[in-house]
Amino acid sequence: DIQMTQSPSSLSASVGDRVTITCRASQSISTYLNWYQQKPGKAPKVLIYAASSLQSGVPSRFSGSGSGTDFTLTISSLQPEDFATYFCQQSYSTLWTFGQGTKVEMK
Amino acid sequence: QITLKESGPTLVKPTQTLTLTCTFSGFSLSTSGVGMGWIRQPPGKALEWLALIYWNDAKRYSPSLKSRLTITKDTSKNQVVLTMTNMDPVDTATYYCVHMGASSTSLYNWFDPWGQGTLVTVSS
Repeated sequence: DIQMTQSPSSLSASVGDRVTITCRASQSISTYLNWYQQKPGKAPKVLIYAASSLQSGVPSRFSGSGSGTDFTLTISSLQPEDFATYFCQQSYSTLWTFGQGTKVEMK
Repeated sequence: QITLKESGPTLVKPTQTLTLTCTFSGFSLSTSGVGMGWIRQPPGKALEWLALIYWNDAKRYSPSLKSRLTITKDTSKNQVVLTMTNMDPVDTATYYCVHMGASSTSLYNWFDPWGQGTLVTVSS
């Protein structure tokens, strides 16, 4: 299995802050990396696919970058509705795996 | 618009078999390239992919759970069914049905949309 490791596990930030979340794969996955947002009690929603492609309808303050083993999700200016948990997921292998999640909390 | 909805028991006893049904609309599982799967999330924990079935009936299973899982589809009913045998309290989780989206080149895929999820508790 390809292991996905996110950091940090949680972070505290304020509205307007720039937030960066990192995801590392246990082997090279090219750009086969997706990011999801999950709010409490809700199902996850895809934000970014193929490492840097913004899903339709997702605000442009979200962006993704990286290739190989190291990836980043950036929120350029945190909004109140962005407080949530974020997961990365690899689609390089058809044995899909997720990171453990990063919870973005209000400072 | 694609919609997915999970159904099944909310409580199962240890050693029992869990059967979950996903009823969907907005697409056909007989269309080339389409896939549907199941993902679970124990309370407060991470997401775990379980199984996926493709339009051509090819199937993929999580290696750690493969011996306990079966995924099937009924194209005429627009349903996908997951069975998990020998349930244990550690299997307590919200189980999500997912549609697999893909890029126009089919090189990339992701899970979108997701059903609302159904919480399954394993307890005697």
